[in-house]
Amino acid sequence: NAGVTQTPKFRILKIGQSMTLQCAQDMNHNYMYWYRQDPGMGLKLIYYSVGAGITDKGEVPNGYNVSRSTTEDFPLRLELAAPSQTSVYFCASSYSTGVSDEQYFGPGTRLTVT
Amino acid sequence: GQQVMQIPQYQHVQEGEDFTTYCNSSTTLSNIQWYKQRPGGHPVFLIQLVKSGEVKKQKRLTFQFGEAKKNSSLHITATQTTDVGTYFCAGDKGGGKLIFGQGTELSVKP
Repeated sequence: NAGVTQTPKFRILKIGQSMTLQCAQDMNHNYMYWYRQDPGMGLKLIYYSVGAGITDKGEVPNGYNVSRSTTEDFPLRLELAAPSQTSVYFCASSYSTGVSDEQYFGPGTRLTVT
Repeated sequence: GQQVMQIPQYQHVQEGEDFTTYCNSSTTLSNIQWYKQRPGGHPVFLIQLVKSGEVKKQKRLTFQFGEAKKNSSLHITATQTTDVGTYFCAGDKGGGKLIFGQGTELSVKP
């Protein structure tokens, strides 16, 4: 199993540009998440999904959009990039909430907006 | 909104010394998870605590969940250089949405 994969690893955007961060998992997990991590800070939840076709906002959803058309993929869309969106973005997945809700994280995408 | 506070922000220890990080939530948690992130890496799950007063051990690591399910701690005995990284607690109010603490960055001097 590849686990959780993210592309690209690095990206530099100009202010106002748009891009899609890709995330895929091959563990048949129903839950998927997008987090952002700013320097020296913890992770903040942007959006999450409990299954294909279902998404919901996290703590910091403004400026982002998601879709979940399949169990495997959960892309994150940035429209009109702003310097405040400079961060490291992590995608994660988990099987379900219950006794063991371990989240598996991808390697991250380091995004700079200038 | 709900907050999870973690202290200290940084801890520098000599190899062989003990280390503890503390986590406090403003609200009662369904469960709490702990993750470790190596420099330049991604968070890796360590453990989940669910029951009030629960204590779990993993070799030199001891995890505790408070009786009120609002606080937790991670204690490492006799630190090693392989313990270097940032340790995060993450509180779950229910439904799988985690609120992460700011993390404690541990450095170990050989």
